[in-house]
Amino acid sequence: GNSVTQMEGPVTLSEEAFLTINCTYTATGYPSLFWYVQYPGEGLQLLLKATKADDKGSNKGFEATYRKETTSFHLEKGSVQVSDSAVYFCALSVNDMRFGAGTRLTVKP
Amino acid sequence: DTAVSQTPKYLVTQMGNDKSIKCEQNLGHDTMYWYKQDSKKFLKIMFSYNNKELIINETVPNRFSPKSPDKAHLNLHINSLELGDSAVYFCASSPGTSLAKNIQYFGAGTRLSVL
Repeated sequence: GNSVTQMEGPVTLSEEAFLTINCTYTATGYPSLFWYVQYPGEGLQLLLKATKADDKGSNKGFEATYRKETTSFHLEKGSVQVSDSAVYFCALSVNDMRFGAGTRLTVKP
Repeated sequence: DTAVSQTPKYLVTQMGNDKSIKCEQNLGHDTMYWYKQDSKKFLKIMFSYNNKELIINETVPNRFSPKSPDKAHLNLHINSLELGDSAVYFCASSPGTSLAKNIQYFGAGTRLSVL
């Protein structure tokens, strides 16, 4: 079946550090891939998405590239801020939406 | 204006009770969803409605019954609540049913605690 596996957290970084959150997927067909972010006490918000191989999604300094050869969609940011502290969810969509387990990121000043 | 609003935000109740969670979206979307997020933050889809019609019904106990009076509302009624129902429930909506093309917009969640 379709599924997403993302690195377990929590991840704790200092401000301005480089962030990578790994995400790999298994899917039949051609999925679209997403990263959602959940800030404390809020619902999920779409951060970025990519709909086909080699597409790069980007938003708010975050990037992820759809790699079909490695079935991956790793999230990266060059310099994190305290305000990036949240839970990040990788997701894929073929016929329905499948979310990963979420990775909690804490950024310390 | 909140795009997807769900009420209540917190719900604490005893085992065996019946409770409802309401969801409304003012985005003009055709499709609405209910998700359950467990204590480990894992998010699972429960139901999806398109124009008041059920299109996704994952394997959930039949104590859970969604109701869509119109396409802007999708309420979740839960009968005979059990301890394992404790979770955060998220409502979401999207313009259409193609999740590959349609972004989902989420409500802030309802934290249900069953004692």
